[in-house]
Amino acid sequence: EDQVTQSPEALRLQEGESSSLNCSYTVSGLRGLFWYRQDPGKGPEFLFTLYSAGEEKEKERLKATLTKKESFLHITAPKPEDSATYLCAVPLTGNQFYFGTGTSLTVIP
Amino acid sequence: DAGITQSPRHKVTETGTPVTLRCHQTENHRYMYWYRQDPGHGLRLIHYSYGVKDTDKGEVSDGYSVSRSKTEDFLLTLESATSSQTSVYFCAISEPILAGRSDTQYFGPGTRLTVL
Repeated sequence: EDQVTQSPEALRLQEGESSSLNCSYTVSGLRGLFWYRQDPGKGPEFLFTLYSAGEEKEKERLKATLTKKESFLHITAPKPEDSATYLCAVPLTGNQFYFGTGTSLTVIP
Repeated sequence: DAGITQSPRHKVTETGTPVTLRCHQTENHRYMYWYRQDPGHGLRLIHYSYGVKDTDKGEVSDGYSVSRSKTEDFLLTLESATSSQTSVYFCAISEPILAGRSDTQYFGPGTRLTVL
């Protein structure tokens, strides 16, 4: 049973074309939802943590939002350097994270 | 970047041989984790440690053991490597900050292991 589902699996955008990535979860009693960025051949890089429905966090062209069942990572006017795989994770118990399989984003100049 | 190093970064070994991967941190974080990452599965937790000599199993612990004798080092051992253990292995660290909330995990650069 999947605890975390990310969609779409892959996304191609033109530079400047805004879009959103989705992370839906089924864990109850959410202790946090975490977004990471991963470049090829590197470890995941932490982006955001969201703890409560309605919470939003922003960093440059990225904004993460959270509802009771899903989180969105909004990308505004993306640039080629935003190309990466974006991962979300939720804790199942304590600090044991369950990761989604990620969305591979390609931004075309 | 969090002060996390992994060694070796790449390793090729043969089926049946023992393999040890090392994670070293300079952040003095209490928790350390080992994950593996495979296409179509995302990151999966193998083992984690919540203090020196305190470890517990994760989702995919069969065939792996760990040890933590110092705060800064967390070792992952494959006692007898199999081809199914070919993967990229990531170490992560975290420090408890907020009661009742999970802590942010910071990841190392990874070790690519190939078992022939």
